[in-house]
Amino acid sequence: QLQLQESGPGLVKPSETLSLTCTVSGGSISSSSYYWGWIRQPPGKGLEWIGSIYYSGSTYYNPSLKSRVTISVDTSKNQFSLKLSSVTAADTAVYYCARGVVTAIWGWGQGTLVTVSS
Amino acid sequence: EIVLTQSPGTLSLSPGERATLSCRASQSVSSSYLAWYQQKPGQAPRLLIYGASSRATGIPDRFSGSGSGTDFTLTISRLEPEDFAVYYCQQYGSSSWTFGQGTKVEIK
Repeated sequence: QLQLQESGPGLVKPSETLSLTCTVSGGSISSSSYYWGWIRQPPGKGLEWIGSIYYSGSTYYNPSLKSRVTISVDTSKNQFSLKLSSVTAADTAVYYCARGVVTAIWGWGQGTLVTVSS
Repeated sequence: EIVLTQSPGTLSLSPGERATLSCRASQSVSSSYLAWYQQKPGQAPRLLIYGASSRATGIPDRFSGSGSGTDFTLTISRLEPEDFAVYYCQQYGSSSWTFGQGTKVEIK
């Protein structure tokens, strides 16, 4: 059974870089046709797609965040990662990693709260 | 970029009632790429419907999806206590995912 688990600091200072890793178990991150993505949810608000990496290695980013986002994959560890630079308080959110295909997002991590504060 | 607008923002209903949630897209969306999720407090979203009308594994048949083009609907035929939650529609397009802002179904 597929499981995704986010990990990383829960507190990041303004202007610094937020870094999170998603560890995938129960499936290979190299499996064809899957997107591996990051989605966030500010407290009390809705879901926002941050970006995805396709199994081929191609990356796709939300235009509103594109200049600050990098998503990468480490196939040897079956992990993928998110880096979001120059964070502000507006980046405070629960961050989810997820696996999807064109039809839907079929697997979600439990989410991790990242607070941006000095 | 396609924008998904959900209505109403909040739906106040009693258990046993029927819930009808709307998701309208700013331009035509392939039905194959439209999904619905349920989210309860403190939990990750759960996939309910994919391909606009297909139920995901383990989803009760009181949940149904319909629609095409720019107008999609999620219907809960008879609300159970565990169905009170926030519901999101989501579409895939140009290798990106887009979510609606959500509809909260609350107990009246």
